[in-house]
Amino acid sequence: QVQLQESGPGLVKPSQTLSLTCTVSGGSISSGRYYWGWIRQPAGQGLEWIGRIYTNGNTNYNPSLKSRVTLSVDTSKNRFSLKLRSVTASDTAVYYCASLDCGGDCPIDYWGPGTLVTVSS
Amino acid sequence: QSVLTQPPSVSGAPGQRVTISCTGSSSNIGAGYDVHWYQQLPGTAPKLLVYGNNNRPSGIPDRFSGSKSGTSASLAITGLQAEDEAYYYCQSYDSNLSGVFGGGTKLTVL
Repeated sequence: QVQLQESGPGLVKPSQTLSLTCTVSGGSISSGRYYWGWIRQPAGQGLEWIGRIYTNGNTNYNPSLKSRVTLSVDTSKNRFSLKLRSVTASDTAVYYCASLDCGGDCPIDYWGPGTLVTVSS
Repeated sequence: QSVLTQPPSVSGAPGQRVTISCTGSSSNIGAGYDVHWYQQLPGTAPKLLVYGNNNRPSGIPDRFSGSKSGTSASLAITGLQAEDEAYYYCQSYDSNLSGVFGGGTKLTVL
């Protein structure tokens, strides 16, 4: 069973770049049918899709975040990463990394436990 | 404002049946993209409950079932139990291949 773990700073200053990494264990990130994604959830609110990436670098982003987001994957370290530029307080949220089984219609089958990122000076 | 629309809350007594609706549009659910459902217990990550409109992952009881028609989908929970009290989210894809979520529905077991 795949396990995912987010890591990165819990506090980011406004206008700076939020950077998170997700380490995958229990399976290869290069597994053919899987995409790897990021979702976030502000406190007391619903889930928001950030984007997904395949190991060949193919990406799909939320249009509302696309101009500030970059996803990347490092197959040698079995991990993938999120960069969100020019953050503001509204980017404060729990960030989840996830695996998407795209053998079908890409449900999110495994989630990391989530990591809280606060944007504040 | 979420792309998919869910009722903010539903409730039911133990043993009863409840349904949660998820309404989209012609650019997502109506375009043929499957709907997936997730359960989120307080303080935890969401968990996949139903995928591909009406399929359950291993370990999910058959009390949970999904359906899809046109631009909408539904999650039905029968034989309500206290441990079903949680938030439920529907998810699909838009024509730009970005994922979209419903705003979430809080299920209260009375």
